[in-house]
Formats: sequence, structure tokens, C-alpha cells
Amino acid sequence: DVKVTQSSRYLVKRTGEKVFLECVQDMDHENMFWYRQDPGLGLRLIYFSYDVKMKEKGDIPEGYSVSREKKERFSLILESASTNQTSMYLCASSQIGGPQHFGDGTRLSIL
Amino acid sequence: DQQVKQNSPSLSVQEGRISILNCDYTNSMFDYFLWYKKYPAEGPTFLISISSIKDKNEDGRFTVFLNKSAKHLSLHIVPSQPGDSAVYFCAASAMDSSYKLIFGSGTRLLVRP
Repeated sequence: DVKVTQSSRYLVKRTGEKVFLECVQDMDHENMFWYRQDPGLGLRLIYFSYDVKMKEKGDIPEGYSVSREKKERFSLILESASTNQTSMYLCASSQIGGPQHFGDGTRLSIL
Repeated sequence: DQQVKQNSPSLSVQEGRISILNCDYTNSMFDYFLWYKKYPAEGPTFLISISSIKDKNEDGRFTVFLNKSAKHLSLHIVPSQPGDSAVYFCAASAMDSSYKLIFGSGTRLLVRP
């Protein structure tokens, strides 16, 4: 079974803080993704990576950056957290051409 | 502009009956479609997929139908069970951007005992 692990289930941070969300997958997948899920909006893609050190912007990259130094790890960075970044964040991984497998999510609150 | 639409935010079905969840898309370049199920406090779980060369794919109680001319797909669950109660998302991707999935907004299914 594919295992995608997100480092925190719940996180509370303050406005202006730099926030790191970590994701690790154990299936040697090439692709990794970060989404946010908001009520009524489904899942929206923030960034994805198709190889180590490679990244591409998704649909809503503003205010975020990512890092992929190792194949199994993909980090999402909120450079200066704002209240409108309060959301559920989901990490996923996939083989090329295969379905994406998701972690259990990090519920992030920015106060 | 939503490229993948799930127009029913919720659906309630009696246990043992059929659940039909619908999804419409606008981008004719989409050629790979997926359904995910999501329980509260968990990540989405992949259920079933279909490529555009097929019009039906079946896996146990789950069947996905694709009508390319109508740009419509549906997920049938037969028979429905209370454990199927969850939010269901459809998603689509295009071969030229196969890394990216576009998700619908989800349909909450409640299966009543």
C-alpha cells in the first residue's frame, strides 16, 4: 500500500510566521503534489514536482513555495502566513500516468 | 471557470439501493478521469478511474460511466452501504498535462440504514 505521511495533522501559527508543511512518500513515486481544500471549492493545486529539484506552479501558487531535495520528500512553505491561508492542506504522490495517492492532510489555522 | 463540475452538493440514498454521483466537464482535452472518496479528517482515497478510450469501468460495487459526447461521467455504487457515506470527488486530467488533476467541488453521499 502507498503511504503518504504528512508531518502534522493540526497546526496553529500566527500571521507573518514562516510555516513549513512536510510530506513523505514511501513508494518511490516520481510526482508529488500539494493541494488545499476549502469548503465548496474542492481541491486546488498549489504546486507539484515531477522530479527532485523540479517544480511547477499549480493553480494557486501565490504566497507559497516548495522544496524537493529528495525524491521521497516534498515540503510546502508559507513564506509569511496570512489568515486567508487557513485551510486543509493535502499532499499526494503518484507514478507517472497513475492515480494520485493522498496523505491525511494538515489542518492549518493562521491566527 | 470550473472545468469539472459536481452540481449536486449532497445525495441521500437508502441502504441497498443504487447511488449515482454525477460529474460534468468542459475541457474536451481531458482523457483520464478518476473518482475519490473522502471521509472526515482523512485524505481522499482513490476509488476508480477510466480513460477516454473506454465508456465503462467496473470494480466490485463501483462502476464509472463516461459519455464523451455529453462530457459527463457518473459513478454508480450498487448496493449502497452505510460505510459508503463520505464526500466523493471526481477529477480529470489531460494527456498533455498528465501531472495535473482538476477536481470537482465534491458531493456528500449519505447512505441511510
